Amino acid sequence: QVQLQESGPGLVKPSQTLSLTCTVSGGSISSGPYHWSWIRQPVGKGLEWIGRIYPSGSTNYNPSLESRVTISVDTSKNQFSLKLSSVTAADTAVYYCARTDRRLPGLDVWGQGTTVTVSS
Amino acid sequence: QSVLTQAPSASGTPGQRVTISCSGSSSNIASNPVSWYQHLPGTAPKLLIYDYNSRPSGVPDRFSGSKSATSASLAISGLQSGDEGDYYCAAWDDNLNGFVFGTGTKVTVL
Repeated sequence: QVQLQESGPGLVKPSQTLSLTCTVSGGSISSGPYHWSWIRQPVGKGLEWIGRIYPSGSTNYNPSLESRVTISVDTSKNQFSLKLSSVTAADTAVYYCARTDRRLPGLDVWGQGTTVTVSS
Repeated sequence: QSVLTQAPSASGTPGQRVTISCSGSSSNIASNPVSWYQHLPGTAPKLLIYDYNSRPSGVPDRFSGSKSATSASLAISGLQSGDEGDYYCAAWDDNLNGFVFGTGTKVTVL
């Protein structure tokens, strides 16, 4: 059974770059009909899709974040990562990684989430 | 501001049926699969419905989905106290070239 686990700093200073990693266990990130996403939820707000990556490295990003976001994949470590630059307090949120199985189009496996606070 | 609009809240008594609507447009719901997510307090979101009305293994048939033109709906029958939480619709949007979530509906069991 595939499991996802987010990791990274819980506190980031304004104007710096937020970096998170999602480790995939119980299956290979590079095989199968899957792609991998990042989603966030600011406190008191709804879910916001950040972007996704295919094992090939092809990406799609939320247009509102595209200028600041980079999602990458490391198949040797079975991980994919998120970098969000020039962060502000508005980027404070719970960040989730998730998998989509293209045979059932939806985010079918989620990590538990990690809280990132942007503050000096 | 999301392109998928949901009522902020819905409620019902145990055993009742509750329906949550999701209003979109021709670039999302009308042309791409809709999925629904349950987000209970302190947990990760869970996929309830994909491709409008299909349930992943393990999701009880109390949850059902439907679609009509540019709108989608999630129905919860036999409402239980454990169903209290937030529910989100989602779909790919061809104009934005991105995945979008609905604004979310908080379900309360009275």
